[in-house]
Amino acid sequence: DQQVKQNSPSLSVQEGRISILNCDYTNSMFDYFLWYKKYPAEGPTFLISISSIKDKNEDGRFTVFLNKSAKHLSLHIVPSQPGDSAVYFCAASALGETSGSRLTFGEGTQLTVNP
Amino acid sequence: KAGVTQTPRYLIKTRGQQVTLSCSPISGHRSVSWYQQTPGQGLQFLFEYFSETQRNKGNFPGRFSGRQFSNSRSEMNVSTLELGDSALYLCASSLYGLRDTQYFGPGTRLTVL
Repeated sequence: DQQVKQNSPSLSVQEGRISILNCDYTNSMFDYFLWYKKYPAEGPTFLISISSIKDKNEDGRFTVFLNKSAKHLSLHIVPSQPGDSAVYFCAASALGETSGSRLTFGEGTQLTVNP
Repeated sequence: KAGVTQTPRYLIKTRGQQVTLSCSPISGHRSVSWYQQTPGQGLQFLFEYFSETQRNKGNFPGRFSGRQFSNSRSEMNVSTLELGDSALYLCASSLYGLRDTQYFGPGTRLTVL
């Protein structure tokens, strides 16, 4: 049961344009969401997060939007740069008895930004 | 500050063998979590250790186990290896746990023949 899904395995955009990466989830207990970026031969690095009490969080060129009713979040990168080319994972967490019962990741979306 | 380190970086084993992977967290981090990455499956959570105790566990069979030492270093063991265990195994450390920013190591690429 894939509770976090990234339906687009790949996305290609032109440099300077907007990149929109999407993520859907099914577990209504998820209340904290994160995006990670992964380059080849490296571990994922944290990008941005959002709590369910918000519907938007912005950090420089990166903005994450959360639509709780649709159980959908998206990551917007504006403007896109060639260095943004990487695999992007969304992840979701539900508050358990300890600090997070687990962290559930999507399958990842390969973003390619063409110069 | 040094990042998360994982050893070995690459490993080749045969079916039925066992393997131990090691992870050294960022200094001061008490939470270490482990993930399996396979094509098409994304990152799947294995377990999390905090102060030498397994605090959270994913949906993996008992062949996958781990432990954490008093210096927060962690090991993951997989017994009776199967072909499907071939994957990139990532560990991550954080100050407080899974709802804190995870800092990932480069991973150990395990190939089971």
